[in-house]
Amino acid sequence: GESVGLHLPTLSVQEGDNSIINCAYSNSASDYFIWYKQESGKGPQFIIDIRSNMDKRQGQRVTVLLNKTVKHLSLQIAATQPGDSAVYFCAENYQDTGRRALTFGSGTRLQVQP
Amino acid sequence: EADIYQTPRYLVIGTGKKITLECSQTMGHDKMYWYQQDPGMELHLIHYSYGVNSTEKGDLSSESTVSRIRTEHFPLTLESARPSHTSQYLCASSPLTGTSGRNEQFFGPGTRLTVL
Repeated sequence: GESVGLHLPTLSVQEGDNSIINCAYSNSASDYFIWYKQESGKGPQFIIDIRSNMDKRQGQRVTVLLNKTVKHLSLQIAATQPGDSAVYFCAENYQDTGRRALTFGSGTRLQVQP
Repeated sequence: EADIYQTPRYLVIGTGKKITLECSQTMGHDKMYWYQQDPGMELHLIHYSYGVNSTEKGDLSSESTVSRIRTEHFPLTLESARPSHTSQYLCASSPLTGTSGRNEQFFGPGTRLTVL
């Protein structure tokens, strides 16, 4: 099997509970943020995004909160389900000398216990 | 669902071989990217392209090369594979965003490369 996750912080929750995954970003000039979900053996999938002129954005069962003062982003998943088990990455986007750069954080593994 | 494809999904190859990882997207996106990701680690940008005949190196130094002859196709080539190249390679694409700021990238399933 694949040896993964040894370097990742892991959040373990019970099915039905709410999950909160945190991310600290590095660039105060970042103006757009994305949360991605990556299941084992697959590429990252878009979950939700937020612009820097917003503090909160809600999707289906997910909410992203942005605190620009402390450069912190969080992803809240309501009523966590086994299918939510995956690695979650935050990404920040900023203008960098002629290109828009998307930089990914180190990821958090979410384990949902049935 | 994103229409971006990568082949092969898995590749095991010997040292010194030349390999090309294929990436194609059917969304008409101008921007395409290659990332390298070790198991359990973050994604590192190794190449990107903003359109046909445009290619740039990313944030992580890589011995690979890319080409962009057609909008939909962005292959990555390793002239001489080495064990240090063992990793997962993810291709992504995104539309031009103008001044909107959005840069949502759509990812392919990845190619897991093992060099013996």
